Amino acid sequence: DVKVTQSSRYLVKRTGEKVFLECVQDMDHENMFWYRQDPGLGLRLIYFSYDVKMKEKGDIPEGYSVSREKKERFSLILESASTNQTSMYLCASSLYQGVNTEAFFGQGTRLTVV
Amino acid sequence: AQKVTQAQTEISVVEKEDVTLDCVYETRDTTYYLFWYKQPPSGELVFLIRRNSFDEQNEISGRYSWNFQKSTSSFNFTITASQVVDSAVYFCALSEIDYKLSFGAGTTVTVRA
Repeated sequence: DVKVTQSSRYLVKRTGEKVFLECVQDMDHENMFWYRQDPGLGLRLIYFSYDVKMKEKGDIPEGYSVSREKKERFSLILESASTNQTSMYLCASSLYQGVNTEAFFGQGTRLTVV
Repeated sequence: AQKVTQAQTEISVVEKEDVTLDCVYETRDTTYYLFWYKQPPSGELVFLIRRNSFDEQNEISGRYSWNFQKSTSSFNFTITASQVVDSAVYFCALSEIDYKLSFGAGTTVTVRA
């Protein structure tokens, strides 16, 4: 079974802190994604990566950065957390086969910034 | 611009009723893929189906069926004889040539016993 694991299920951080959300997949997938999920807005893409050290901005990259030093790991970084970044964060991965492969998701990290 | 629109925010039905979830997408690519995902209360998204832009055949899997119509850019999902376990948030998604996977806002389905 494909496994996408996010390091924390729940996180509480203070405004201004630097926050790291970690995601690891064990299926040798090339593509990895970070989304945030908010009520009424669905899943919005923050960043994605199609290869090691490669990254592309999604629809809402402001306030975030990412790191992909190894194929299996994709980190989302909140440089200076703000209360409007309180959300559910979902990591996903998929094979690199053009556009036809489904994405597998982690269990999500619910981040609260106080 | 919203690439995937799910007009229904919430649907509530009684068990055994049929439920149809609408999905309308927007793309300029000729090659693209459409997906449906289910997010049960536990939170983890579960893949249900994918359909490529060249295959307009409808598909049935058990109580689930999908209707893809390119002419109206729609990819609707029907649950027949709904059950309480079908209660979840359902997302439609579009994957285009740049590999981005764009999701709709989701439809919350509540099936009452």
